Amino acid sequence: DAGITQSPRHKVTETGTPVTLRCHQTENHRYMYWYRQDPGHGLRLIHYSYGVKDTDKGEVSDGYSVSRSKTEDFLLTLESATSSQTSVYFCAISERESSTDTQYFGPGTRLTVL
Amino acid sequence: KQEVTQIPAALSVPEGENLVLNCSFTDSAIYNLQWFRQDPGKGLTSLLLIQSSQREQTSGRLNASLDKSSGRSTLYIAASQPGDSATYLCAVGRGGADGLTFGKGTHLIIQP
Repeated sequence: DAGITQSPRHKVTETGTPVTLRCHQTENHRYMYWYRQDPGHGLRLIHYSYGVKDTDKGEVSDGYSVSRSKTEDFLLTLESATSSQTSVYFCAISERESSTDTQYFGPGTRLTVL
Repeated sequence: KQEVTQIPAALSVPEGENLVLNCSFTDSAIYNLQWFRQDPGKGLTSLLLIQSSQREQTSGRLNASLDKSSGRSTLYIAASQPGDSATYLCAVGRGGADGLTFGKGTHLIIQP
């Protein structure tokens, strides 16, 4: 398995509080991604990174920000959590911009916003 | 905007049957197509990746085909086993650093 960890694995928080999720990789892969998975929607891309300090928005980026100050860490921040952000969040990594490269996924973080 | 559809949404079959899962996508300008497996409460595991120039890929009892011009892919599972029970996700990539666009998945149950 690719060396990807996510923390925390579970979190319950209240509406309006800030939340930061962490993705850590030991593979030294260049590309990192945050997705959310919701019933009826499948996985949707929130933000992605193509290098240290290089990030861009995905399909559902509103209400989220990211940072990548080191190759191994990609942080997802909810500045003021809302109930609509209750979801399972997955981090993924890939090595190259190649049609042969798959994405490897972390175990996920289950976030509940009350 | 790329849309990926998977049919059926759920499937239950007896052990030993061969089965086909379907995936369709609206924009044929894809970089690659991947099939993933997801077990309950777990992350995703890559099963097969087909480059846009390829027609099929095989791994053990799994065979995935791609018809880019018609926007379709199938995942064929031979001699199904209870351990194959999981949700199967189809995803297309459009190249560069962009992420994947996923279908909603097919929830597969193999009855012992």
